[in-house]
Amino acid sequence: GAGVSQSPSNKVTEKGKDVELRCDPISGHTALYWYRQSLGQGLEFLIYFQGNSAPDKSGLPSDRFSAERTGGSVSTLTIQRTQQEDSAVYLCASSFSPDRGFNYTFGSGTRLTVV
Amino acid sequence: AQTVTQSQPEMSVQEAETVTLSCTYDTSESDYYLFWYKQPPSRQMILVIRQEAYKQQNATENRFSVNFQKAAKSFSLKISDSQLGDAAMYFCAYRSGLGYALNFGKGTSLLVTP
Repeated sequence: GAGVSQSPSNKVTEKGKDVELRCDPISGHTALYWYRQSLGQGLEFLIYFQGNSAPDKSGLPSDRFSAERTGGSVSTLTIQRTQQEDSAVYLCASSFSPDRGFNYTFGSGTRLTVV
Repeated sequence: AQTVTQSQPEMSVQEAETVTLSCTYDTSESDYYLFWYKQPPSRQMILVIRQEAYKQQNATENRFSVNFQKAAKSFSLKISDSQLGDAAMYFCAYRSGLGYALNFGKGTSLLVTP
């Protein structure tokens, strides 16, 4: 597509439920990143994909968080047993392989509210 | 890990005036890239300007320019002839030369008044 698409745009969930956030990157972008933006904070790195592999998962805050990418394209970030502290905007970005440059395109994010 | 610090949580500027947003970073690397991103209420991060550390010349994009002081590890953004549409959150970010992910500061909220 023309840009990075994220869905849903907003999600309200009850504490303890599981949620799935979707990111559809720009076609041809092999690298994909998930970030979390809590209220009043900068963007916190969560995970990096190169193709379908995730060489860096170091930013995932707990084992309740997981992500996968299939077909070198769409990625899903799953949060199990959501907690109130998981409330944040989850942003996805994609780019060509990092050694080919540094033009990152961001989506508009999913605002997750855990009640 | 590299730390990016934006010491101004909020800034205000009058339309048509000039404003400078501050950013400092901490790194032991010599090869890296620095970025300024704008985040309007739509939440999408928009690249404003980028600077390669090996370049001594400060980057410029129309009304936006940077003052890159490598020795001082400072990377400020100057916005000239401010417009109402410049109102947004501005984030400074760092990327290692051999890295991949961006490391962000906490942002500066810019208000533009008529």
